[in-house]
Amino acid sequence: DSGVTQTPKHLITATGQRVTLRCSPRSGDLSVYWYQQSLDQGLQFLIQYYNGEERAKGNILERFSAQQFPDLHSELNLSSLELGDSALYFCASSVDSGQGVKETQYFGPGTRLLVL
Amino acid sequence: DAKTTQPTSMDCAEGRAANLPCNHSTISGNEYVYWYRQIHSQGPQYIIHGLKNNETNEMASLIITEDRKSSTLILPHATLRDTAVYYCIVPYKLTFGKGTLLTVNP
Repeated sequence: DSGVTQTPKHLITATGQRVTLRCSPRSGDLSVYWYQQSLDQGLQFLIQYYNGEERAKGNILERFSAQQFPDLHSELNLSSLELGDSALYFCASSVDSGQGVKETQYFGPGTRLLVL
Repeated sequence: DAKTTQPTSMDCAEGRAANLPCNHSTISGNEYVYWYRQIHSQGPQYIIHGLKNNETNEMASLIITEDRKSSTLILPHATLRDTAVYYCIVPYKLTFGKGTLLTVNP
């Protein structure tokens, strides 16, 4: 158990809909990262927040957005969903600030999203 | 941007050492090398990281070449439960490639 929690574990929805994925970091960790993993694909970095502020941005679509709240939990919002958005979405947390050179990340169990 | 190159797959016999190589020839002087693994569709698990010196913990050993252009993750006594995809990454821009699928055979 990494100490990172994600809800829900599974999500089934229809195209065009909007969903929200939730992540609670390990106690004391200020950084939260979101990743997408499609079938047979590597982990694609989406976005990172550090202490409520956006710190780094990866291949995140404009239909996707995220935020980190004062209690440090984070939510990833996916809108206008398409079939291709079906994937595993992982959240990770780190005590590191995200300057890039040293970031030990602890991953949650993921949310499996299926868009029909 | 530092990028890493790993073999697509490797096999190892149970009880033997598994040596997983990684090339990171464009790594900068202050960038760490990290190793994670992902068992089936579970969340990736942190294994070990290093900068210049060799490192060892309860899970594995990390050998980094003197020029820092490559490293090797060593699982000293591989078990069937070590079958997983192993990722070598340099955190800048947080790029995970396809990793190496290590299959431990009985």
